[in-house]
Amino acid sequence: AQSVSQHNHHVILSEAASLELGCNYSYGGTVNLFWYVQYPGQHLQLLLKYFSGDPLVKGIKGFEAEFIKSKFSFNLRKPSVQWSDTAEYFCAVNAGSGYSTLTFGKGTMLLVSP
Amino acid sequence: NAGVMQNPRHLVRRRGQEARLRCSPMKGHSHVYWYRQLPEEGLKFMVYLQKENIIDESGMPKERFSAEFPKEGPSILRIQQVVRGDSAAYFCASSPERGSETQYFGPGTRLLVL
Repeated sequence: AQSVSQHNHHVILSEAASLELGCNYSYGGTVNLFWYVQYPGQHLQLLLKYFSGDPLVKGIKGFEAEFIKSKFSFNLRKPSVQWSDTAEYFCAVNAGSGYSTLTFGKGTMLLVSP
Repeated sequence: NAGVMQNPRHLVRRRGQEARLRCSPMKGHSHVYWYRQLPEEGLKFMVYLQKENIIDESGMPKERFSAEFPKEGPSILRIQQVVRGDSAAYFCASSPERGSETQYFGPGTRLLVL
């Protein structure tokens, strides 16, 4: 069975600080990896995804993530956060190969103070 | 192109009543997934359906919960005889024909059981 671990449940940063949110997964086969964001009162939106190819993936709003296969990690980064990045961030994985049920981490709540 | 639609957005039920949650996938999507988000938890997979078929219901509680995705109309998640522990946000997602594609999420239905 797959599992996803997000290291921090809550992160508080000041505007312009750099962000890195950790995500590790456990699964032995081919995986697809995702980061979703949930702004207060809104539904989940896809930030970025990795299926194959370049392990450094760029998403919307200046976010990027790096897939490190040897570490089973897919950490999310942003060089300079804004107040509007305050949201909950979820890492997710599926087994690929046509079977697409997602396994989510518990989420990281990011609070950016102005 | 309208996104995934869910209704109602909020639902209040008393213990013992039935809850019906509806999900209309994105146009052209024939795969529907239901997830449940308990307070301070990540999303947990419940059931995966294609038109008129349940593909995977391994995440569904064995009793009181059922789901369908008829040939015509939205997908329905039905919870009979609700209990307080059913209070959660229920998210629907859809994906196009190929099962491994990205899932797009609806706004969720927040169920409160009194």
